[in-house]
Amino acid sequence: NAGVTQTPKFQVLKTGQSMTLQCAQDMNHEYMSWYRQDPGMGLRLIHYSVGAGITDQGEVPNGYNVSRSTTEDFPLRLLSAAPSQTSVYFCASSYGYRSTEAFFGQGTRLTVV
Amino acid sequence: AQRVTQPEKLLSVFKGAPVELKCNYSYSGSPELFWYVQYSRQRLQLLLRHISRESIKGFTADLNKGETSFHLKKPFAQEEDSAMYYCALLGGSNYKLTFGKGTLLTVNP
Repeated sequence: NAGVTQTPKFQVLKTGQSMTLQCAQDMNHEYMSWYRQDPGMGLRLIHYSVGAGITDQGEVPNGYNVSRSTTEDFPLRLLSAAPSQTSVYFCASSYGYRSTEAFFGQGTRLTVV
Repeated sequence: AQRVTQPEKLLSVFKGAPVELKCNYSYSGSPELFWYVQYSRQRLQLLLRHISRESIKGFTADLNKGETSFHLKKPFAQEEDSAMYYCALLGGSNYKLTFGKGTLLTVNP
């Protein structure tokens, strides 16, 4: 099994550009989420999904959109990139809700210039 | 609201010394707590969870509801323990996983 796969690994954007970070998992997990990791800030939840067709906002959702049309995929869209969105982005998935392990992708390092 | 606090950004110890990474939480219900670890150039992975009461790589963590703490301990640190450690709490109506800001542990030879 591939686990959680994120693409791309690295990306440089210009301010105002849009892009989609891809996340796919092959473990039939219901729960998927996106985090951003910034120095001194830890991991902050952007958006999450408890199943196909259901998404909700996390702690820092502004400037990001998500959709969950299938169980496997959970793309994160940056609508109009800003330098403040320079970060490392992690996608995670887990089978259910309680006491289950979250599996993380390898991360996408995004730089907005 | 749920909150996880890791008071130490950096922790440096010598090989063979005991290590304790602190974690305090704020949550109105019954918490589910975890420690995740991120080694250099690797993805974040689960180290241990409080409900399992297990020891992984010599690490243990006990949930203290009275002190609202879930400190991670190891009696004898090894160089390969050097990594970023995150305490996390699973809770809320949609069981969101909330992370602390992390502690970077460096074990010196």
